[in-house]
Amino acid sequence: NAGVTQTPKFRVLKTGQSMTLLCAQDMNHEYMYWYRQDPGMGLRLIHYSVGEGTTAKGEVPDGYNVSRLKKQNFLLGLESAAPSQTSVYFCASSYGRTQYFGPGTRLTVT
Amino acid sequence: ELKVEQNPLFLSMQEGKNYTIYCNYSTTSDRLYWYRQDPGKSLESLFVLLSNGAVKQEGRLMASLDTKARLSTLHITAAVHDLSATYFCAVNPLNSGNTPLVFGKGTRLSVIA
Repeated sequence: NAGVTQTPKFRVLKTGQSMTLLCAQDMNHEYMYWYRQDPGMGLRLIHYSVGEGTTAKGEVPDGYNVSRLKKQNFLLGLESAAPSQTSVYFCASSYGRTQYFGPGTRLTVT
Repeated sequence: ELKVEQNPLFLSMQEGKNYTIYCNYSTTSDRLYWYRQDPGKSLESLFVLLSNGAVKQEGRLMASLDTKARLSTLHITAAVHDLSATYFCAVNPLNSGNTPLVFGKGTRLSVIA
């Protein structure tokens, strides 16, 4: 039981490049979330999903897209990366009251 | 819009001392979470507080919830170096277990000898 996993762990992009972050969970959770963490800002919700095939915007969705084609996977895409998207990205999933977090992806956009 | 405020944001305390971290939130909710994050690591769930007056303890940490005051506290007893970490509180904006959480900015705790 791996819990919540994220791929990749680190990535450096140039401005304008695109990439996709993958979140996978093996706990059969319906709900999945993408957050970003910046120094002094806590965690801010980007997008979330309440089930396969559904997505919804969070607090800071601009510049990101998501897809939930399979229940166990939640993808976060950056179509044209900007330096402001340099951050640590955390995925989480939940079924009951507690959210379980992945290990994070550290993204740097130069 | 739900706002969650923690204070202090930075805390340096000596080993053996006691201290309290405060978490205030702006709208009605009966569900509050405390997480711990070590540098470069992910978030680890510490406590889930589900009702007014709820109190939970784990080792040197004790968390409580007052829904009428919209306040939760995380009390540290006889601090040890291993408690050095960043502590986040988080709240559901609606009374639903799966609604996305709103996080405070975190309290960075440093326990020194």
